[in-house]
Amino acid sequence: KAGVTQTPRYLIKTRGQQVTLSCSPISGHRSVSWYQQTPGQGLQFLFEYFSETQRNKGNFPGRFSGRQFSNSRSEMNVSTLELGDSALYLCASSRTTGGTGDEQFFGPGTRLTVL
Amino acid sequence: GESVGLHLPTLSVQEGDNSIINCAYSNSASDYFIWYKQESGKGPQFIIDIRSNMDKRQGQRVTVLLNKTVKHLSLQIAATQPGDSAVYFCAENENDYKLSFGAGTTVTVRA
Repeated sequence: KAGVTQTPRYLIKTRGQQVTLSCSPISGHRSVSWYQQTPGQGLQFLFEYFSETQRNKGNFPGRFSGRQFSNSRSEMNVSTLELGDSALYLCASSRTTGGTGDEQFFGPGTRLTVL
Repeated sequence: GESVGLHLPTLSVQEGDNSIINCAYSNSASDYFIWYKQESGKGPQFIIDIRSNMDKRQGQRVTVLLNKTVKHLSLQIAATQPGDSAVYFCAENENDYKLSFGAGTTVTVRA
């Protein structure tokens, strides 16, 4: 079956702009988690959604937001982009939740560059 | 906050040798641990997991060891192959919905 897909794969924006990234989970998976990956900070948890509800949120400013649709597809938005937002944004899906033994499958990520 | 970390950022290993990648965690409440492998240009890929009620689990060519006394996790790869070259991350569950990742160890396999 198809894996987790993320669009776009690459994105270049300038400071102050906003961006929306999309994630389509594996069919049947209802939990979607987002992570930011940078060389200095590694993989940092952004938020997790299940059945259109955010169940957990990481330590990121309010400029980072997300949502999940009824078909489990998810989007994340970053407003007023800063240079430090340049990163690989990863989406992961699981059937129910990734923290209790339900395997998380990661997408290839969206590489965001902020100039 | 508490976090998961790896002892060494890089590891160079001869093809055919065994690899050991270490990870220290600090959250004693974590009860689920996972090892991921990330190849260049790809997202992390699940390798093996272990629950806190176990101290060892084996997969195909990989073994995860958990020492809760010293909060240490390790991944052993038997007969390392060139395809094992990647960044390896350990992760722990902070709660049911959130995983915390270590900084990663870059493994390079020498031919």
